[in-house]
Order: sequence, then structure tokens, then C-alpha cells
Amino acid sequence: KQEVTQIPAALSVPEGENLVLNCSFTDSAIYNLQWFRQDPGKGLTSLLLIQSSQREQTSGRLNASLDKSSGRSTLYIAASQPGDSATYLCAVRDGDASGTYKYIFGTGTRLKVLA
Amino acid sequence: DTAVSQTPKYLVTQMGNDKSIKCEQNLGHDTMYWYKQDSKKFLKIMFSYNNKELIINETVPNRFSPKSPDKAHLNLHINSLELGDSAVYFCASSQNRVTGELFFGEGSRLTVL
Repeated sequence: KQEVTQIPAALSVPEGENLVLNCSFTDSAIYNLQWFRQDPGKGLTSLLLIQSSQREQTSGRLNASLDKSSGRSTLYIAASQPGDSATYLCAVRDGDASGTYKYIFGTGTRLKVLA
Repeated sequence: DTAVSQTPKYLVTQMGNDKSIKCEQNLGHDTMYWYKQDSKKFLKIMFSYNNKELIINETVPNRFSPKSPDKAHLNLHINSLELGDSAVYFCASSQNRVTGELFFGEGSRLTVL
């Protein structure tokens, strides 16, 4: 059964710092991995989607990498800003023998960037 | 022109009542989902429909009944509400059921008193 873990659970950094959020998963047979951000009281906003055949994706100051064999993904945020404060969630999509494909979510990392 | 929209955003109701949440997506996606986010912010899938066909039905009490009248709409009806049903319910959609990127609605916060 797929399990997704995110470490750390919470993180506070001063503005301008580069930071790395971690996501690990127990079953490497995934179809893709997606990173989201969730602001308080809001829905999830998709940040980056990495297909299983890809190693990384970049969008602006964000870079996500995927190492399927070791069951890990990292989200790198460059030059952090107070507006980056949010909860960051990763989700992996895997499938079973019956052809059911699901996104399994991690518990999130709550990020606070201090001005 | 919100991509995935849910109504209502907030629901406060008494135990034992029946309530519905509606969801619509204008992305032309084939697959739609209902997720539940509990008080610890953990997201768990409840149901998924692909082209109006139910494809995922997690171990959810049968008081919860999804309905998809067409592939752009997915509604959730909850009978005989219980205190433990209080949560935020998110609708989401993806282009397909295997590799598509997931897009979420803003959520519907249900409070059962």
C-alpha cells in the first residue's frame, strides 16, 4: 500500500533563503507526482507535475525533482518570499492490478517565510 | 471562469439532515473526483468518475452518494449527516484517469452541529 511522507512537517525561514521540501513514497511504481500549494481556507493550486519518465520540472523559482528508484521527490524554492508561505503537498499517482489509478497525498509541509 | 467550481463554499447544518454539494469543471476533463480533508489537513480520495462512470469508490459510508449527470458535473449527496462528517470536501478533475494533472476546486466546508 502506497504511503507518502513529507518532512519536515513545518518550516520557518527568513526571506531570501533557498529551501528544499522533501517527499518520499514507499512504492516506486508511480505514474506521476504532483506538487501543490494550499493557502489557508483555500483549495489546492497545482505547482508542478512530473511524469514518471521525467527527472525534473521547473517553473519560475520552483524546481521539482523525481528519483523513482529511491522513492523521493524534492521541491526546491529559490529566493523565498513571504508570499510563498503556505502548506505544500505532494501527491503520487499509482495504479493497481484492477486498473484503478489514484493520487495518494502526503501530509504536507507548512512553510512560513519571515519578512 | 473558474476551472473547477463548487457550491456551496460553506454549509452549516444539524445532525440527521441531508445535504448536497455541487461541482462543475469547464476544462473538458474526462475524470472528476471528490476528496475529503479532515481536521489534520489530510486529503483522502472518496470517489472518482471517468466519463460519468464510477471508477473509484473508497470505503465511504453509503450515506454518501455521488452522481455525475455528465462529464462536466459531479455532485455529492450526504444523507443523515453525522458530527464526524464535518470536514472540507474538495472536488477535482484531471484530463484522464492515469496521468493527467489534478486541478482542485476551492472546497466546501461542511460543519455538522
